[in-house]
Amino acid sequence: GQNIDQPTEMTATEGAIVQINCTYQTSGFNGLFWYQQHAGEAPTFLSYNVLDGLEEKGRFSSFLSRSKGYSYLLLKELQMKDSASYLCAALDSNYQLIWGAGTKLIIKP
Amino acid sequence: EADIYQTPRYLVIGTGKKITLECSQTMGHDKMYWYQQDPGMELHLIHYSYGVNSTEKGDLSSESTVSRIRTEHFPLTLESARPSHTSQYLCASSYAENTEAFFGQGTRLTVV
Repeated sequence: GQNIDQPTEMTATEGAIVQINCTYQTSGFNGLFWYQQHAGEAPTFLSYNVLDGLEEKGRFSSFLSRSKGYSYLLLKELQMKDSASYLCAALDSNYQLIWGAGTKLIIKP
Repeated sequence: EADIYQTPRYLVIGTGKKITLECSQTMGHDKMYWYQQDPGMELHLIHYSYGVNSTEKGDLSSESTVSRIRTEHFPLTLESARPSHTSQYLCASSYAENTEAFFGQGTRLTVV
């Protein structure tokens, strides 16, 4: 079967760095997305990786290892507004998105 | 800013009623999607469309139907609402499957 695993909840301190991991098992692979979803709101796009390596975009970076079926989202200089759920989603061989349940990130002052 | 809109935002309806959730986008995207999401759970694909007159069922059968008569409009209809349909429904669109998806604000449906 196809599935995505990511931690249910993480806690970090304002100003710190946090890494949210995601492992995936899909039939084929055409890339991996990260989305941010604040409580009660719609998901918003953060990143898309299809090649191995790290992609940096401001305070957020995303890493992919296709051979390990693994990705992580790195958030630096955490701010209170980063408190949200972070959704990992992999695109399978049929270009269907397989979604994880999301990691709820709690930022403490 | 995303130009994709859903109405209504909130809806409470009785069992057995027929309802239509509206979704419109002004970005000219061919790809549109309907997802169901319960609190703390993953998004489940209900229906998707790759263009006008194209509709497909997703992995979650929710006794709903969709239509795509115009590029910008992708309504979802529940013929007979049940309490098990209580959930949040999210509409999304994208230029391609491997590009950013833009989501509407969602419709929170409660069936009593």
